[in-house]
Amino acid sequence: EAQVTQNPRYLITVTGKKLTVTCSQNMNHEYMSWYRQDPGLGLRQIYYSMNVEVTDKGDVPEGYKVSRKEKRNFPLILESPSPNQTSLYFCASRWKSGNGYTFGSGTRLTVV
Amino acid sequence: GQQVMQIPQYQHVQEGEDFTTYCNSSTTLSNIQWYKQRPGGHPVFLIQLVKSGEVKKQKRLTFQFGEAKKNSSLHITATQTTDVGTYFCAGHNTNAGKSTFGDGTTLTVKP
Repeated sequence: EAQVTQNPRYLITVTGKKLTVTCSQNMNHEYMSWYRQDPGLGLRQIYYSMNVEVTDKGDVPEGYKVSRKEKRNFPLILESPSPNQTSLYFCASRWKSGNGYTFGSGTRLTVV
Repeated sequence: GQQVMQIPQYQHVQEGEDFTTYCNSSTTLSNIQWYKQRPGGHPVFLIQLVKSGEVKKQKRLTFQFGEAKKNSSLHITATQTTDVGTYFCAGHNTNAGKSTFGDGTTLTVKP
């Protein structure tokens, strides 16, 4: 089944403790992207990648890092999480040649 | 930077009534996409519009892209309870990797 898989689905952590949210897709998509979703603010793009080793900032990149060493994986790294990073995070991927993103099921992160 | 405004934020309708959500971009877009997110779910891609003035239909859903490629709309005819959810537009400029989502319109349908 074609899908984007994120892990974990839920995570509660403490301020300052480094964490990684994994994202993997099995559709050989070139583009991958991370979004955060907060009430009333829609989906805001954090980082995106247009291919292996090619990443760029979205609208809200502060406090996040990403890497794209393989085409299928695009992990999101929070080096020192803070409470304002409490949010619902979505990973997504799509073909370079158009059409929309396929989204993962989301990761609900709480930083206390 | 690019901004995409979407209105209304909420829409409550009686089943069978029509529904429209509007999207306006501060800049000219290369394309615009529409997504639907059911409560507790993830966004699901509905359609992409590319051409100026383009109109596409999916059953009871009609999507339009403005002549200036700065605005778009989604119209649902005769809403059903299965249409409940939040509808987002997402604008893309020449940098195809960068996407800007509207804040969404949440539709509730009363049976």
